[in-house]
Order: sequence, then C-alpha cells, then structure tokens
Amino acid sequence: AQSVAQPEDQVNVAEGNPLTVKCTYSVSGNPYLFWYVQYPNRGLQFLLKYITGDNLVKGSYGFEAEFNKSQTSFHLKKPSALVSDSALYFCARDNFNKFYFGSGTKLNVKP
Amino acid sequence: DTEVTQTPKHLVMGMTNKKSLKCEQHMGHRAMYWYKQKAKKPPELMFVYSYEKLSINESVPSRFSPECPNSSLLNLHLHALQPEDSALYLCASSQELGRPIYEQYFGPGTRLTVT
Repeated sequence: AQSVAQPEDQVNVAEGNPLTVKCTYSVSGNPYLFWYVQYPNRGLQFLLKYITGDNLVKGSYGFEAEFNKSQTSFHLKKPSALVSDSALYFCARDNFNKFYFGSGTKLNVKP
Repeated sequence: DTEVTQTPKHLVMGMTNKKSLKCEQHMGHRAMYWYKQKAKKPPELMFVYSYEKLSINESVPSRFSPECPNSSLLNLHLHALQPEDSALYLCASSQELGRPIYEQYFGPGTRLTVT
C-alpha cells in the first residue's frame, strides 16, 4: 500500500534550536507528499507539499521539507524552533484523491 | 478567505438520536471531505464529494449519511450511533480532485460524544 510512516511519536527540542520531524514513504506509486500541523482541539493546517520539481520545499511559518528519493524520506525542518511550534505534526500522502496520514509526531519546544 | 467552518463545535447525542453536522466553505472549492479522528490518532477518510456528487465512500457504516446540497455545503447525518463513534469529525475542502494535486483545507472539527 502507498503510505507514509512517522517513526517518532515525540520530538523534544529547545527553543532556538533547529528541529526535524521525520517522515518516510513507501516506494510504490508517485509520492505526492504533504505536511500538516494540528494544535489542540483544532483542525489541521496545511504547511507545505511536494508534487514535483525542487526537492527542497518551503512552506508556511518558516518550515521547509526536503524530498529525498534515495532515502524515501520527506522530513520537515525549521532552522530555529519557537515555543509556539509545539503541536502535533502529520505527514500525509495523496493516493488517487485519498489522503493517508502518518501516525503523527508530537513536537515539544521548550523555552 | 481560506476558512472552512463547522457547526456545532461540540455535540452530545444518545444512541437513538438523529443529528447532523454541517460544514461550509466559500473558497469555490469543488471537492469536499469528511474525516473521523480519534484522540491522538491521524484523521481517517470517510467520504469524498466532487462537484456535489459522492466520489469515495471508505466503507463507512450506514448510520453515517453524507449530503452535499450545494457546492459550498456538506452535511453529515447521524443516526443510531454507537459510543465508539465518539470522535472529532473534520471537514475539509480542496480546489478539485484529480491532477494537479491540491492541498486540503480543514475546518476546526465537531467534537462528538455518543452516550
């Protein structure tokens, strides 16, 4: 099945440090990949997507992600974390108009 | 305006009740979606509408009945639910289905509790 995996349930980082939230995808099919963020009791907010083209994708709120075909990864990154970045992050994949989400990674940014 | 609105925010219903969830968007999007999300889990796709017609039903029990009365509105009618149906129900919309791939915009959700 065409899916994504988020290997870390939780990531802890100090404010001001760089952050990485990991996502890998299964090889079969076209990797149309997305990142979303969810704050408590809220819907999901779109951050960025990779469809084709440049491997480095820039998105909202200073986030970026690098599509790496050889490692089948699409890790989310930010150079300097903010306490307000603390939330639940989901990687997702489009499979013929169906979005399949990873299990989610809780990001904790400590002051 | 990139807003998807959902009402009500919270809903408590008994197993014999009939209720409806409502979703609205004014972005001119022609694809709309219903997802179910349990606590600390990813959203799970339930239904997809394209140009007001049901395009995808992910084998959802018939006690959930979707309706798309027009291009801006999406309803989810609930009847004879079970306690395990308690969850956050998210509505989303995107420009349209197919290619190119468009991102989905999500509403804040309706927190449903079935007693």
